[in-house]
Amino acid sequence: QKEVEQNSGPLSVPEGAIASLNCTYSDRVSQSFFWYRQYSGKSPELIMSIYSNGDKEDGRFTAQLNKASQYVSLLIRDSQPSDSATYLCAVLTGGGNKLTFGTGTQLKVEL
Amino acid sequence: DVKVTQSSRYLVKRTGEKVFLECVQDMDHENMFWYRQDPGLGLRLIYFSYDVKMKEKGDIPEGYSVSREKKERFSLILESASTNQTSMYLCASSLYPDRRTGELFFGEGSRLTVL
Repeated sequence: QKEVEQNSGPLSVPEGAIASLNCTYSDRVSQSFFWYRQYSGKSPELIMSIYSNGDKEDGRFTAQLNKASQYVSLLIRDSQPSDSATYLCAVLTGGGNKLTFGTGTQLKVEL
Repeated sequence: DVKVTQSSRYLVKRTGEKVFLECVQDMDHENMFWYRQDPGLGLRLIYFSYDVKMKEKGDIPEGYSVSREKKERFSLILESASTNQTSMYLCASSLYPDRRTGELFFGEGSRLTVL
C-alpha cells in the first residue's frame, strides 16, 4: 500500500464549478498535511496546510481533514482556467520528519 | 521572498561521471531536502538535512550522497551516474523544525540526463 494515494486524473471541471481533490494516507500517526500545486514545467508551490480535523479555508481553497478515515481533500470553489495544474498531496510521516508526496491529481478547468 | 537556487537547470552527463547538483537558499532555513520527480512515481525523497553537517537518508538514497558544509548550501552528489538516474531533481528548504516542516519552498529544478 502506498503511503499517500491520489487519483491521477485528469479531473475535468467547467469554469466556475467546484473541484474536489482527494487523498488518502496510510500512516495513522501522521499529524501534518499539505497541498501543493504544480504547473506544467514548474516546481511545486505550497497552497494549503492543515493540522487539525475539520475544514480550513483560504480564499477559494478549502482543505478538509478526517484523521479517523485517513483522508484529506482540497476543494477549489469557482474554478478558473488558471487553476489547471497538478495538485500534490503531502503527508508528514516517519514520526514527523519526512514529507511523503502522492503522485498528484491533474486538474483541468475548461471554459 | 524565499529564494532557493539550483545552480544548473539542465545537465547532460555520461554514464560513470561524477555529478554535483548545488542548491543554495537565502532565508536562513534550517531544513533542506533533495527530491527527484519522475512521471508516474511522483516526488521521492533522496536525502534531507536538519542542520549543518547533518544528513539523513530518505526513501531512495542508493547511488547518491549529500554534503552540507554551510547552512545555506546543500549539495547532491552522484558518485557514478547511471541512466536510471535521469530525472528532474528538486531541492527544497523549510524554516520550521516542528509539524510545519512540510511547508517547503522549492527551487526551479535540475533536469539531469545521463547518456
